[in-house]
Amino acid sequence: EAQVTQNPRYLITVTGKKLTVTCSQNMNHEYMSWYRQDPGLGLRQIYYSMNVEVTDKGDVPEGYKVSRKEKRNFPLILESPSPNQTSLYFCASSLRGRGPMNTEAFFGQGTRLTVV
Amino acid sequence: GESVGLHLPTLSVQEGDNSIINCAYSNSASDYFIWYKQESGKGPQFIIDIRSNMDKRQGQRVTVLLNKTVKHLSLQIAATQPGDSAVYFCAENIEGNTPLVFGKGTRLSVIA
Repeated sequence: EAQVTQNPRYLITVTGKKLTVTCSQNMNHEYMSWYRQDPGLGLRQIYYSMNVEVTDKGDVPEGYKVSRKEKRNFPLILESPSPNQTSLYFCASSLRGRGPMNTEAFFGQGTRLTVV
Repeated sequence: GESVGLHLPTLSVQEGDNSIINCAYSNSASDYFIWYKQESGKGPQFIIDIRSNMDKRQGQRVTVLLNKTVKHLSLQIAATQPGDSAVYFCAENIEGNTPLVFGKGTRLSVIA
């Protein structure tokens, strides 16, 4: 089954304690991205990756890092989490290329992060 | 989860009626648009897309209309069912070149 898998689904952590949220896709997609979703603000892109070893900042990259060492994985790293990073996070992937439906994004189930 | 639905515009429709969800997009250069559905506790799911060389596209029970003149997109759902209750997002981009930009979303509530 084609899917995007995030882990963990729920996480409560303390300020300053480094954490990583993993994301993996099994569709051989080139493009992957991370979003955060907050009430009243909708989905905002944090980082994206056009392909292996290629990453770029999205709209709200501050406080986050990513890496893309393999095509299937795109972890989100919070080196020193703060309470304003409490949010619902989604990883997404899509096939980046020519032709129809090349930017439809498939989303993971989400990770609800609480930083206290 | 439910908290992402707070502060959103809400459309309430009777089961069996047609629903129309509207979206004003921001970039006149955008040429690709998608509607997503997000149910409580889940990630957004693709519903239908449309390119700027079209003004209408139909799927199963859904129709997307695009008016480039006023930068407006709408999603029509025929014979709305309780399972259609969700938050609906439009997204836009310049195809293949830029990341998707999402609208704020509209909550659809179906009254049985």
